[in-house]
Amino acid sequence: DTAVSQTPKYLVTQMGNDKSIKCEQNLGHDTMYWYKQDSKKFLKIMFSYNNKELIINETVPNRFSPKSPDKAHLNLHINSLELGDSAVYFCASSRGTQSGNTIYFGEGSWLTVV
Amino acid sequence: GQSLEQPSEVTAVEGAIVQINCTYQTSGFYGLSWYQQHDGGAPTFLSYNALDGLEETGRFSSFLSRSDSYGYLLLQELQMKDSASYFCAVRELTGGGNKLTFGTGTQLKVEL
Repeated sequence: DTAVSQTPKYLVTQMGNDKSIKCEQNLGHDTMYWYKQDSKKFLKIMFSYNNKELIINETVPNRFSPKSPDKAHLNLHINSLELGDSAVYFCASSRGTQSGNTIYFGEGSWLTVV
Repeated sequence: GQSLEQPSEVTAVEGAIVQINCTYQTSGFYGLSWYQQHDGGAPTFLSYNALDGLEETGRFSSFLSRSDSYGYLLLQELQMKDSASYFCAVRELTGGGNKLTFGTGTQLKVEL
């Protein structure tokens, strides 16, 4: 039983394309996140949603647009992809915003922009 | 802003004890977490300290000193499978939610 699942796991695409990464969690959590991990393994938060409401929006280009149709799903759409967008994108979830000490991560989506 | 510092690499032998340090500078501090990440895998939660002192979970222990803005992860009886990256992370309350900010990670290599 996969707790946080994201698709696709691997994505290779050309510059300028638009792509989406989907994420679903079956843990019953109400808070979800997108993190980006670069080639140096630096892991940085991008967005957080609580009950479908955006609560954290870090300094991310507006080419990145998250969407949460319900609290079990948080998708990430990226427009006009650039070489620098190549990274591993992790979806994650936690129970609530006050007890975020345990965050459950998905297996990651490896995005390569060529 | 916030920043966390931890050593980039640590090497130890199987069966040994290793300590990975983490110092942080942040505002609105609520706790220090540790995550483990194997190559190609997802970060997984190891431990969390909100108060000063030592928390023990099996072979792993984590320590926090809020006055020193310092913590460490202690791994005992090292096994080859412990070879991974270890991240400290601070939980801050910001705006309407809480945010986990990660350190740059420590690559632990366990050798025979």
